[in-house]
Amino acid sequence: DTGVSQDPRHKITKRGQNVTFRCDPISEHNRLYWYRQTLGQGPEFLTYFQNEAQLEKSRLLSDRFSAERPKGSFSTLEIQRTEQGDSAMYLCASSPKYRVYNEQFFGPGTRLTVL
Amino acid sequence: TQLLEQSPQFLSIQEGENLTVYCNSSSVFSSLQWYRQEPGEGPVLLVTVVTGGEVKKLKRLTFQFGDARKDSSLHITAAQTGDTGLYLCAGGGYNFNKFYFGSGTKLNVKP
Repeated sequence: DTGVSQDPRHKITKRGQNVTFRCDPISEHNRLYWYRQTLGQGPEFLTYFQNEAQLEKSRLLSDRFSAERPKGSFSTLEIQRTEQGDSAMYLCASSPKYRVYNEQFFGPGTRLTVL
Repeated sequence: TQLLEQSPQFLSIQEGENLTVYCNSSSVFSSLQWYRQEPGEGPVLLVTVVTGGEVKKLKRLTFQFGDARKDSSLHITAAQTGDTGLYLCAGGGYNFNKFYFGSGTKLNVKP
């Protein structure tokens, strides 16, 4: 069990550019979450997948954000036309099925800096 | 507006002291989790509490879930420098679709 991995760990981009982050969950974890965390705050929910289906999406997620989880394995989060306010740590977490109470295992995060 | 309020926001204590951090909400949760996060890393799960009034102990850490399942506390006995970090509580609903995190308590344990 190698844990949740995220790539890249750091991303610096210029305002207006598109960026894509990848998350590889723990194998056989069917639930996958994306969160955003800014300095001094707790993680803020963005979206949730069960297998390949995106079942929940935060109202905070603007149209510039899109997430996919093809085949129910890895997931990608894309931000189009980045803005300085998008600068944050983007965290991915996965959770196993057949667990009654949802214990999430987090990856190390991708830190995005928009210049 | 955070659904879960944590207090205090910052805590700086000497090694060996005891401390309690609180997580409060006006909402009922089916479960509540505590995480610890180091700078530049993702949160790491410490415990899940699910029953109102439940108390769980993990070595020097004691977690309590309120009777009404709206609040929780984390008590650390004889704090060590290795306890330094950001402590986050997170509440889950009766489905698995969403989790709400508090803003965290930043703990610094000085030698």
